[in-house]
Amino acid sequence: AIQMTQSPSSLSASVGDRVTITCRASQGIRNDLGWYQQEPGKAPKLLIYAASSLQSGVPLRFSGSGSGTDFTLTISSLQPEDFATYYCLQDYTYPYTFGQGTKLEIK
Amino acid sequence: QVQLVESGGGLVKPGGSLRLSCAASGFTFSDFYMNWIRQAPGKGLEWVSYISSSGGSIYYGDSVKGRFTISRDNAKNSLYLQMSSLRAEDTAMYFCARRRYDSGSDTYYFDLWGQGTLVTVSS
Repeated sequence: AIQMTQSPSSLSASVGDRVTITCRASQGIRNDLGWYQQEPGKAPKLLIYAASSLQSGVPLRFSGSGSGTDFTLTISSLQPEDFATYYCLQDYTYPYTFGQGTKLEIK
Repeated sequence: QVQLVESGGGLVKPGGSLRLSCAASGFTFSDFYMNWIRQAPGKGLEWVSYISSSGGSIYYGDSVKGRFTISRDNAKNSLYLQMSSLRAEDTAMYFCARRRYDSGSDTYYFDLWGQGTLVTVSS
């Protein structure tokens, strides 16, 4: 199975900060990567698909980049509602695999 | 309203069985591939199983292969997960999720999730 290594596992930041989360795949996955946001007690929500395509309704401060094995999620200016846990997911091949998650906390 | 609603979770003893359901509404269920994803308490997300729109193609994660069976009834707009030989490590919130295909990027993604149903395996 493809392993997804996500970093950092936790991140402390302030409103207005720019933050970047990375995911590395154990083998090339083209651009078959999505980013999901999960608030406590809720289902995950799709932010980015195909590595860099913004899901409809998601704020423009979210962006994704990368291809092959290295991917990033960037939030350009953190808002209070962005403090949550973020996961990458490779959907290149089954079994699909998630990164370990990044918990974004308020500094 | 476009939504997925899971049900069937509960407390079950190790070695026992449970059947989860996911009711779809507001969209043409038979057009979409569906998946089950789970999350152990305080842990990350784990993909569990996939079924194609017709049911003809199915995949499982290694941790559940041989114990779980995914199925669907397109006439009832429903997805199922039959779980048997349950273990303590199967304790988790189970989500169903719709997989959508984007022709522009030739990729797939999970665009619609249910709220989850909690399965607890304990004696």
